[in-house]
Amino acid sequence: QKEVEQNSGPLSVPEGAIASLNCTYSDRGSQSFFWYRQYSGKSPELIMFIYSNGDKEDGRFTAQLNKASQYVSLLIRDSQPSDSATYLCAVTVNTGNQFYFGTGTSLTVIP
Amino acid sequence: DGGITQSPKYLFRKEGQNVTLSCEQNLNHDAMYWYRQDPGQGLRLIYYSQIVNDFQKGDIAEGYSVSREKKESFPLTVTSAQKNPTAFYLCASRSTQGLRNQPQHFGDGTRLSIL
Repeated sequence: QKEVEQNSGPLSVPEGAIASLNCTYSDRGSQSFFWYRQYSGKSPELIMFIYSNGDKEDGRFTAQLNKASQYVSLLIRDSQPSDSATYLCAVTVNTGNQFYFGTGTSLTVIP
Repeated sequence: DGGITQSPKYLFRKEGQNVTLSCEQNLNHDAMYWYRQDPGQGLRLIYYSQIVNDFQKGDIAEGYSVSREKKESFPLTVTSAQKNPTAFYLCASRSTQGLRNQPQHFGDGTRLSIL
């Protein structure tokens, strides 16, 4: 069983702060890592993906991958109320035919 | 516009009835997926297909059936054998080209309820 674990939250941060979301995975063969944002009642939308150890930045978002410790994180700088959503972590192994999703972390940004 | 279209947005099922959820994509993606999401829960894989005329069961395939007769289409049938069908159903697709595993992209979903 390939497990992806996320703290369900809720995580609350004030507007303008950095939100840090974490995800751990059990399969050392995991190769690709994705972060999705899901607003209440809506479908998930892709925010970031990362394949190699280290940091990857895209605007206010930074994904960090540490394969030795088997975790991937998402940092959101200058958090906005519009960032309030559930964030899903997903990983793939080998051919990537299946994606393994965590249960998500709920983030609330307080104005 | 390229994308994934799910229909209907809302669907109601009567006892003993089979219902079919539509998923169409014009992204030229080879792989397509169906997930079920219950309130406050993560995504659970029902079926996936990597190529036309081939598909595999996911973790919760019982009570569901699919077909993949065209690359663009991957309909899901919720049969009467599925005793608890009320959920949010999500279709996704992704490209299988390139050296890296490409991300999945989702349709807007279908909410299914029991009458």
